Amino acid sequence: DIQMTQSPSSLSASVGDRVTITCRASQTISNYLSWYQQRPGKAPKLLIYAASTLQSGVPSRFSGSGSGTDFTLTISSLQPGDFATYYCQQSYSTPRTFGHGTKVEIK
Amino acid sequence: EVQLVESGGGLVQPGGSLRLSCAASGFTFSSNWMHWVRQAPGKGLVWVSHINGDGTSTTYADSVKGRFTISRDNAKNTLSLQMNSLRAEDTAVYYCARDNFLGFHDYWGQGTLVTVSS
Repeated sequence: DIQMTQSPSSLSASVGDRVTITCRASQTISNYLSWYQQRPGKAPKLLIYAASTLQSGVPSRFSGSGSGTDFTLTISSLQPGDFATYYCQQSYSTPRTFGHGTKVEIK
Repeated sequence: EVQLVESGGGLVQPGGSLRLSCAASGFTFSSNWMHWVRQAPGKGLVWVSHINGDGTSTTYADSVKGRFTISRDNAKNTLSLQMNSLRAEDTAVYYCARDNFLGFHDYWGQGTLVTVSS
């Protein structure tokens, strides 16, 4: 199975901050990488797919980059609604493994 | 508008069975692969299973293989997950999710809670 390692596991930030979350795959996954946002008590929401493609309707302050084994999700200017948990997932092979999540909290 | 609505969750004893359903609307259901993803209380997301558009191909996580069966009824726009021999560690919110033809989950249901406890 492909292991997905996210870092950090949590971070504290302020509104307006630039936030970067990283995800590393245990083997190459090309660009088969997506990022999801999950607010408490809600279903996950797709933000980025194919490593860098913004899902329709998602604000442009979210961006993704990377290929192979190393990937990054960046929020350019954190907004109040962005305080949530973020997960990466690989869809290169089954099982479709997720990272353990990064909780973004208010500083 | 794409909608996915899960149902069928509840409390079940260890060793018991439960059948989850996911009613889909707003898109051509038979065109998309579909997935089940679960989340134990306070924990992260775990992919469980997927099924292709016509139901002829399925895949499972090792943790549920041989106990869970994914299926679909394209005439009724419904995805199902038959869960047998349930264990305490199967306790989770179960989400159905649509595959966007590229392997990514672009729409999710609201989830249904399964609790396995005596």
